[in-house]
Amino acid sequence: NAGVMQNPRHLVRRRGQEARLRCSPMKGHSHVYWYRQLPEEGLKFMVYLQKENIIDESGMPKERFSAEFPKEGPSILRIQQVVRGDSAAYFCASSLGTSGSSYNEQFFGPGTRLTVL
Amino acid sequence: AQTVTQSQPEMSVQEAETVTLSCTYDTSENNYYLFWYKQPPSRQMILVIRQEAYKQQNATENRFSVNFQKAAKSFSLKISDSQLGDTAMYFCAFSPPWGSNYKLTFGKGTLLTVNP
Repeated sequence: NAGVMQNPRHLVRRRGQEARLRCSPMKGHSHVYWYRQLPEEGLKFMVYLQKENIIDESGMPKERFSAEFPKEGPSILRIQQVVRGDSAAYFCASSLGTSGSSYNEQFFGPGTRLTVL
Repeated sequence: AQTVTQSQPEMSVQEAETVTLSCTYDTSENNYYLFWYKQPPSRQMILVIRQEAYKQQNATENRFSVNFQKAAKSFSLKISDSQLGDTAMYFCAFSPPWGSNYKLTFGKGTLLTVNP
């Protein structure tokens, strides 16, 4: 059973370019979460998506960042006009669901390391 | 807002010995989940152990166990019989039990090195 897949593993962009990060959740999982890990920091929540819906984007920067999880295909995190401060590792996680009274484990992908030159 | 603090940026231990990693957190919630994640050099995040705050019994997973002190808001991880493969960054994390229970809050991590 394949785990959470992320690609590319490494991405290099010049300032002003666009970065597209892809995440394929585990089979059967319909909930996707994106986290960002800046150097020397822990992971920080960015956004939570279900198929075709953004549930919580409270951790996303207001500008240049967007995320989607279409009916078909992987979830995409898009960063437009990248700046050096966007250099980080971006992790995707997926779960079966999220319940009000119990925990649904999030399974993490290997991350995409974005470097902005 | 919840915060998670790991006060030990780095630790080292000899193979086969025991090591304890510290974590404290701040929350006004009465019920919540606490986790320890391992991030080896491959950078894959791996769940090591989970504790539910309403359970008084400390969680255990093979060589890994926790010391959960709810009143002190402390959640330490003990690794027994350390192995070279335990070398990794270890992150303590918090999640509320409902509503936004998907929103994990992580500490900055502790780099553990197991020496042969």
